[in-house]
Amino acid sequence: QLHLVESGGGVVQPGGSLRLSCAASGFTFSSHDMHWVRQAPGEGLEWVAVISYDGNNRNYADSVKGRFVISRDQSKDTLYLQMNSLRVDDTALYYCARPKDNGYEYIRIIEYWGRGTLVTVSS
Amino acid sequence: TVVTQEPSLSVSPGGTVTLTCALSSGSVSTAYYPTWYRQTPGQPPRTLIFSTNSRSSGVPDRFSGSILGDKAALTITGAQADDESDYYCAMSLTSDIWVFGGGTKLTVL
Repeated sequence: QLHLVESGGGVVQPGGSLRLSCAASGFTFSSHDMHWVRQAPGEGLEWVAVISYDGNNRNYADSVKGRFVISRDQSKDTLYLQMNSLRVDDTALYYCARPKDNGYEYIRIIEYWGRGTLVTVSS
Repeated sequence: TVVTQEPSLSVSPGGTVTLTCALSSGSVSTAYYPTWYRQTPGQPPRTLIFSTNSRSSGVPDRFSGSILGDKAALTITGAQADDESDYYCAMSLTSDIWVFGGGTKLTVL
């Protein structure tokens, strides 16, 4: 059964850094693109970043571009999000997510989600 | 690009309600693979409809998706009390850009 388990969240001061991890199991991690999606408390969902199955292509939401870096370690079946220059408005529950499957259609559908890890940016 | 959903809607039990999802940049296209999620408190989103109008496994057929005019739409027919939830739309604008709507809080009363 597919599992995505996020970790690494916590409280950090504005301007600080944090690295989130997402441990994947139950599927061939190295065959799938992966996403980070966040949700501020009481707010809606916001797409953050995507990385291709092989790690060669990445893209980011404008709100995090230049501050966040998505990466993956195929040997550990783990996805990462390095967050730098954190701001108060980065406070959110961060979800790791996977597309429905490969293929031109299913790769465009975010289907599987972890339970999230909470990041709080506060002085 | 901003995706706009109705912040809140209400429907009577047994009634029909349509939630919509609009793009600030223009018309919603099937090429954006509009997807609808339902989220209950403390849970991650669950897919209801993907690729405009395909129902996910286990989703009742009273949930349907479509393009209405220039928007993506989620229609719930025969609303039930436990349909009360937050609903989000999402679109894949390109192969490496995704956007989510702000969500609709649906009340059944």
